[in-house]
Amino acid sequence: DTGVSQDPRHKITKRGQNVTFRCDPISEHNRLYWYRQTLGQGPEFLTYFQNEAQLEKSRLLSDRFSAERPKGSFSTLEIQRTEQGDSAMYLCASGSSGANVLTFGAGSRLTVL
Amino acid sequence: GENVEQHPSTLSVQEGDSAVIKCTYSDSASNYFPWYKQELGKRPQLIIDIRSNVGEKKDQRIAVTLNKTAKHFSLHITETQPEDSAVYFCAASNSNSGYALNFGKGTSLLVTP
Repeated sequence: DTGVSQDPRHKITKRGQNVTFRCDPISEHNRLYWYRQTLGQGPEFLTYFQNEAQLEKSRLLSDRFSAERPKGSFSTLEIQRTEQGDSAMYLCASGSSGANVLTFGAGSRLTVL
Repeated sequence: GENVEQHPSTLSVQEGDSAVIKCTYSDSASNYFPWYKQELGKRPQLIIDIRSNVGEKKDQRIAVTLNKTAKHFSLHITETQPEDSAVYFCAASNSNSGYALNFGKGTSLLVTP
């Protein structure tokens, strides 16, 4: 296990299409987080899971966004009816319960044309 | 919710000089304060962190100080090197929100030889 993996690394799509990103956390980590980062900004929190339960969602997560972690391992983030404003880097991070440290993946860069 | 302010947004120093980046936070429940370094096109990487029961922590050329009363914390890098050039993010979190990190907007540090 070499860290947090994200797929795909880059996605170019047309406005209105749906996209899905996958995150594989560090295997022993039961917490998983999704962040969005735009150019020149810090990562913005979207949502987090403890095991399979989605415990918190940001106001940034509109109803076009949905995240799942069905078996408490990998997670998916789906964006429906993409808009140009959705263009960003989507970062996944994982951590252990009771521990503060988060480890980030390399991110999935979305470009909406 | 938590609001993290970070200053300055850009910082240019000469090799060998010290660099200081300052952050303030708003939520008195925050108890964990990490600093991440992000090089261009790469994932955020944890460089140092501090918990609320500690006032200062040092790791070689990097140190972090925390003033809980004033709700601010700072990153100090001594003897800067060109490879220290990157964007640095401060963040704050607490156990009540599952340690979801709230990031500052980042400081772009340039170390010139």
